Amino acid sequence: NAGVTQTPKFQVLKTGQSMTLQCAQDMNHEYMSWYRQDPGMGLRLIHYSVGAGITDQGEVPNGYNVSRSTTEDFPLRLLSAAPSQTSVYFCASSSVPTTVMNTEAFFGQGTRLTVV
Amino acid sequence: RKEVEQDPGPFNVPEGATVAFNCTYSNSASQSFFWYRQDCRKEPKLLMSVYSSGNEDGRFTAQLNRASQYISLLIRDSKLSDSATYLCVVNPLRNTDKLIFGTGTRLQVFP
Repeated sequence: NAGVTQTPKFQVLKTGQSMTLQCAQDMNHEYMSWYRQDPGMGLRLIHYSVGAGITDQGEVPNGYNVSRSTTEDFPLRLLSAAPSQTSVYFCASSSVPTTVMNTEAFFGQGTRLTVV
Repeated sequence: RKEVEQDPGPFNVPEGATVAFNCTYSNSASQSFFWYRQDCRKEPKLLMSVYSSGNEDGRFTAQLNRASQYISLLIRDSKLSDSATYLCVVNPLRNTDKLIFGTGTRLQVFP
């Protein structure tokens, strides 16, 4: 079972470059999210989507764009990479909102991004 | 004040010990509560949801105190394999998937 698949697993970018982090899930989940994890900060929500064609901003959206053209895919675009975007990025999905008791958010294995 | 606060630890305990972690949250209207486990350089995985009445799953017990706005995780008979970071997670809103994560509490179980 693939679950949530993120690519690439590692990436080094130069300041100013752009790139897209890919996220795909094969569980037919409506809810998808992107988080970044930094030391001492915990995971912080960047953008999320409650279904195809619907996206919204999370806590730290600046410098990132998302789109949700299909249920399966939720790519995260870095427009002009900055050293402050060096982080570990996780994509997550769930079938229903996690306000529904015992709903699990499934995470991809993460993308470790370094911006130099 | 952070929305979800945890003691970062580390908690170093011997095998067989009982250890407890607490987590406080600031939004009194928060809807759902979870403990996730994250191994080093891996993705978070759900350990257990936290029910209002408290719940148990084997050696793990989770409790919610809405009046004081904290949740707790108790691990009995600690195993070496329990060594990980435990993330307190809260969803403060209805009909969204906007999880708020604590910074995590690191547990190290030694022989």
